[in-house]
Amino acid sequence: DTGVSQDPRHKITKRGQNVTFRCDPISEHNRLYWYRQTLGQGPEFLTYFQNEAQLEKSRLLSDRFSAERPKGSFSTLEIQRTEQGDSAMYLCASSLSPYNEQFFGPGTRLTVL
Amino acid sequence: GENVEQHPSTLSVQEGDSAVIKCTYSDSASNYFPWYKQELGKRPQLIIDIRSNVGEKKDQRIAVTLNKTAKHFSLHITETQPEDSAVYFCAASLGGTSYGKLTFGQGTILTVHP
Repeated sequence: DTGVSQDPRHKITKRGQNVTFRCDPISEHNRLYWYRQTLGQGPEFLTYFQNEAQLEKSRLLSDRFSAERPKGSFSTLEIQRTEQGDSAMYLCASSLSPYNEQFFGPGTRLTVL
Repeated sequence: GENVEQHPSTLSVQEGDSAVIKCTYSDSASNYFPWYKQELGKRPQLIIDIRSNVGEKKDQRIAVTLNKTAKHFSLHITETQPEDSAVYFCAASLGGTSYGKLTFGQGTILTVHP
């Protein structure tokens, strides 16, 4: 499968625990985006990378959230001290350039108990 | 920041009818407007997009129109089929260094009845 992949697909955790998600973009895609989607809503922008550089982070994102793309390939999104309000689908997308179509991954569904 | 409003939130049509979904955006600097289709439990997929230097774009049964002056854009689906049933999201992107950062509408649940 040459599309965007995400791991894990589902994560159940207890409040206060840390979780980390991984996204593998389409090969050679320079742009990588993270979005969060809650039930009945459109995806909400979290952050994005141009190669390994994190260009922007949503002001809505607390400092419990951090993302990396160390070698300009895969990316990780970590949430520290999870809260019930963090429960959502976390989507990753990649594109060849800022001007090209974004391809979405299947998402990681996080449930915080 | 950018804000995108989408209407209606639900739309029910008979097979063969047309469906129209409308979005408005707040930032006049936005210049890229994609539409995504998301089937239940699946990832969003791009179905059509338009850039601000174009007023209309068509791809078979799907078309998008853009009115920059009024800051709104619309998705038109003709001859709807049951497989068109899904949630549709509009989005807008600013230019410059923020190009590609998408702000999404709230979504429209389209149901096409056979």
